[in-house]
Amino acid sequence: DTEVTQTPKHLVMGMTNKKSLKCEQHMGHRAMYWYKQKAKKPPELMFVYSYEKLSINESVPSRFSPECPNSSLLNLHLHALQPEDSALYLCASSRLPQGAGSYEQYFGPGTRLTVT
Amino acid sequence: KNEVEQSPQNLTAQEGEFITINCSYSVGISALHWLQQHPGGGIVSLFMLSSGKKKHGRLIATINIQEKHSSLHITASHPRDSAVYICAAPGGATNKLIFGTGTLLAVQP
Repeated sequence: DTEVTQTPKHLVMGMTNKKSLKCEQHMGHRAMYWYKQKAKKPPELMFVYSYEKLSINESVPSRFSPECPNSSLLNLHLHALQPEDSALYLCASSRLPQGAGSYEQYFGPGTRLTVT
Repeated sequence: KNEVEQSPQNLTAQEGEFITINCSYSVGISALHWLQQHPGGGIVSLFMLSSGKKKHGRLIATINIQEKHSSLHITASHPRDSAVYICAAPGGATNKLIFGTGTLLAVQP
């Protein structure tokens, strides 16, 4: 099973709402990633979790709050978002390198978020 | 200057044509990802390669680690190949990706 699942597929939320995005993988990967992608641009890294601990936060505003409750699940909690946060949010997972190697990242289908 | 550069940024081809997309990088890496994204869709991993050449169907990827250059070739292109193709360099302790700017390919029937 090389699948990364994400829910919901689409989300429309107001600026005062609180919502969560969910990501799940069962490949035993110990690295999980959140990306934000605007139209016609490559993905931008937001957060990286290694062994369920936050290891990279790319200066993301605090209205985005990640959580990794276990090695298979990754959440992104959203609160008080702005219209400019509307984007495709992608989750990915991979094995973690031991030394100088690198591994393939597997992407989920994404959640298309619209903030009104 | 981006650490991972792609060319061309946009490419239009006629069905059946042979297509080449190039990727050059300045970072030291051990492998390179090629990714595909159809309009409005998610990202699919096509290849990850560290040397030589890989082939999957009509897609061929080559890499020269010493020259820091990779190419993605599509033989006998088809309109369903229309997508954005992105090369990305994984690295570091977290295996995070550095993305190229992407190449928007349109294959016309």
